[in-house]
Amino acid sequence: QSVLTQPPSASGTPGQRVTISCSGSSSNIGSNTVNWYQQVPGTAPKLLIYSNNQRPSGVPDRFSGSKSGTSASLAISGLQSEDEADYCCAAWDDSLYGVVFGGGTKLTVL
Amino acid sequence: QVQLQESGPGLVKPSETLSLTCTVSGSSISSDYYWGWIRQPPGKGLEWIGSFHHSGIGDYNPSLKSRLTTSLDTSNNQFSLRLNSVTATDTAIYYCARGSGSRRQGTFDIWGQGTMATVSS
Repeated sequence: QSVLTQPPSASGTPGQRVTISCSGSSSNIGSNTVNWYQQVPGTAPKLLIYSNNQRPSGVPDRFSGSKSGTSASLAISGLQSEDEADYCCAAWDDSLYGVVFGGGTKLTVL
Repeated sequence: QVQLQESGPGLVKPSETLSLTCTVSGSSISSDYYWGWIRQPPGKGLEWIGSFHHSGIGDYNPSLKSRLTTSLDTSNNQFSLRLNSVTATDTAIYYCARGSGSRRQGTFDIWGQGTMATVSS
């Protein structure tokens, strides 16, 4: 059972906009910034969004992040087949005193 | 170009110690980044193991801390993990990563490819 809660799956068709949610609590998302990672099966995770809504160099602006209260969201617009991957949120937890991850959401491009 | 590469034995016997090393190229481990270990059991999500700075400051997963030792070798630009008294639940892909920003943000911007460690007799 992950500390951060994500839907296990999401899907969309090419060109569509998809959002993935990440629900936490006051000790993690509610008081710290959120990061998002993309993991293509069989490969290492890749930093996609940091500090709630910042994109590292090289990440397309089709990917955006937001946070409100104890929840965060990742939005992917103009969905492409190459976006098919697992997406995972992460944040520091003040109570557990460590980095906590969501269970991951498997995105399927139909 | 910054690269991280994990190395270590793929198979460890129960109750023994898992030892892994991460070799860093393109970035000094003495720089103002922090370094971390994250693992992923087969078919499951990511689990943070620990993050630490060359200054000696570090944070570790409370559930693993009693079995965990980390170290940095600045002369070889490597850092290591030792996890003792392993059981089957420690079977996972182990990733090393570079952390940026505040140590308590969990922002890992560069990852190694990962190494599979299996605990089995």
